[in-house]
Amino acid sequence: DGGITQSPKYLFRKEGQNVTLSCEQNLNHDAMYWYRQDPGQGLRLIYYSQIVNDFQKGDIAEGYSVSREKKESFPLTVTSAQKNPTAFYLCASSMRSDWGNIQYFGAGTRLSVL
Amino acid sequence: GIQVEQSPPDLILQEGANSTLRCNFSDSVNNLQWFHQNPWGQLINLFYIPSGTKQNGRLSATTVATERYSLLYISSSQTTDSGVYFCAVEVGNEKLTFGTGTRLTIIP
Repeated sequence: DGGITQSPKYLFRKEGQNVTLSCEQNLNHDAMYWYRQDPGQGLRLIYYSQIVNDFQKGDIAEGYSVSREKKESFPLTVTSAQKNPTAFYLCASSMRSDWGNIQYFGAGTRLSVL
Repeated sequence: GIQVEQSPPDLILQEGANSTLRCNFSDSVNNLQWFHQNPWGQLINLFYIPSGTKQNGRLSATTVATERYSLLYISSSQTTDSGVYFCAVEVGNEKLTFGTGTRLTIIP
């Protein structure tokens, strides 16, 4: 199946712990994105990557880190510096074409603090 | 940065009714997408529509780029249409900015 796979679906973090959310795509898309969604709110961009081994901060990057070592993978680490990590995290990917930059989303990971 | 406002914030309709959702944006854009977020959180692409009009079944969308707004029309609503509808815009070549969404509830 082609698409974007996020894992795990649910994740619990203890105080002071770093956790890593996985995002894998087999769409051969160049660009990948991480968003955070709080209850009743829209999506806010955390980090994005246009190409392997390169990434840029989004609007709310503090307390998060990413890597892009492979085209297919864009893991997000929620560090202990992120004081309010409870949220729904969505990963997306896109491929630029003559028709534009259309983003497609994974099913998301719900992160809660114990 | 660009501002994206959606209205109404909430909409409750009887099954079979029609609805119009609006997205206003504060600057020229080169990309506009409409998404439906279902109750499980999955975001589904509805339209890529930086300008003009598109239709897909009971859904259609119109973007008037010169006046900086887009409309999403849903006809003959079904309970499966419930969820949150987001528009998102792109300025330049890199990232989408999302609106705050319209929560649609369809009552049987």
